[in-house]
Amino acid sequence: DGGITQSPKYLFRKEGQNVTLSCEQNLNHDAMYWYRQDPGQGLRLIYYSQIVNDFQKGDIAEGYSVSREKKESFPLTVTSAQKNPTAFYLCASSIGQGRSGANVLTFGAGSRLTVL
Amino acid sequence: AQSVAQPEDQVNVAEGNPLTVKCTYSVSGNPYLFWYVQYPNRGLQFLLKYITGDNLVKGSYGFEAEFNKSQTSFHLKKPSALVSDSALYFCAGLLRNTPLVFGKGTRLSVIA
Repeated sequence: DGGITQSPKYLFRKEGQNVTLSCEQNLNHDAMYWYRQDPGQGLRLIYYSQIVNDFQKGDIAEGYSVSREKKESFPLTVTSAQKNPTAFYLCASSIGQGRSGANVLTFGAGSRLTVL
Repeated sequence: AQSVAQPEDQVNVAEGNPLTVKCTYSVSGNPYLFWYVQYPNRGLQFLLKYITGDNLVKGSYGFEAEFNKSQTSFHLKKPSALVSDSALYFCAGLLRNTPLVFGKGTRLSVIA
């Protein structure tokens, strides 16, 4: 089955530690996204990537970093600079990005990060 | 600013009754609009989208949405609610050539 796999599903981190969330897709999608979900705040865009080796900051990129070395993979690192990292993180992909084409997002099941 | 708003945090409806989850948008030009649903501790699932054409869009699981340009709205509807429809619903807009912008979500509770 084609889809997006996020790992780990649950992650606990001590303050001051960096953590990396994995996102892998086998849909052959060009665009990938990371969203953060907090109760009552909906989804906020952290980073997105339209093609390999290129990515752009979203609305809340501070304290996060990403890479896009392969089409299938878009890992997110939550750094110690992120002041309030406890949240549910969602990875998504789409065939294209913007108004150019088939822009329906396919989401992974999410990773829940808790800072102790 | 370009935005999508969901004015209700919570909607309660009795099973078998019609349901409406509201969404409004603020954008210049013609928006692309979407509805997604999220079940607990899961990712979002696509329900339907409006790009152009008929103002009434039909989607998955018996849901439909009506695009109303004069009221800048895209409300999600279903004629007869099921308990299994209980979930968190998100309206989203592709307002220019940027990634989707999401509303804050509306929690739908269908009571048996």
